Amino acid sequence: DTGVSQDPRHKITKRGQNVTFRCDPISEHNRLYWYRQTLGQGPEFLTYFQNEAQLEKSRLLSDRFSAERPKGSFSTLEIQRTEQGDSAMYLCASSPRGYRGRNEQFFGPGTRLTVL
Amino acid sequence: GQQLNQSPQSMFIQEGEDVSMNCTSSSIFNTWLWYKQDPGEGPVLLIALYKAGELTSNGRLTAQFGITRKDSFLNISASIPSDVGIYFCAGHGETSGSRLTFGEGTQLTVNP
Repeated sequence: DTGVSQDPRHKITKRGQNVTFRCDPISEHNRLYWYRQTLGQGPEFLTYFQNEAQLEKSRLLSDRFSAERPKGSFSTLEIQRTEQGDSAMYLCASSPRGYRGRNEQFFGPGTRLTVL
Repeated sequence: GQQLNQSPQSMFIQEGEDVSMNCTSSSIFNTWLWYKQDPGEGPVLLIALYKAGELTSNGRLTAQFGITRKDSFLNISASIPSDVGIYFCAGHGETSGSRLTFGEGTQLTVNP
């Protein structure tokens, strides 16, 4: 399977703990995105990487959130001092180098975070 | 910021019926994408649109990029039970970089 993969699929943690999620994009996709989705809503943009450079960050990405893509391949999203409001599905997407403005983003299966 | 209004919020139809849903934006979009999401899974890309007026099909699915560049619609013909899921429109405009803005989704239920 050559799609976007995410690990873990589910994470249950206690409030105040730190969690880290991993995303492996489709091979040769140089763009990688993180989104957050709460129940009954569409995904909301968090941050975007082109290769290893983090080019955009949403205001949703508080200082407790940090994302990295150290070698321009996989990415990690860390949440420090988790709060119950962080409970959501965290989605990763990747897209190939844009051609004529094309921006087809392919999503992984997501990581479901539950903060108790 | 950009906002997308997607309607209807939910639809209950009989197998074999056609379905239509649409999205409108508060600003001009350069890209419209339509996704389907099953419970506990990530969205799956169905159709991508890049030009005003563009009409694109993918099997029983047809989507159009509105000529005003502020709307798009998705049609599903001859629905089948596996069409059940949540359909999302998404897009981005000239000032939003690469980030996608999503609608709130249309929950489709198909009765056999």
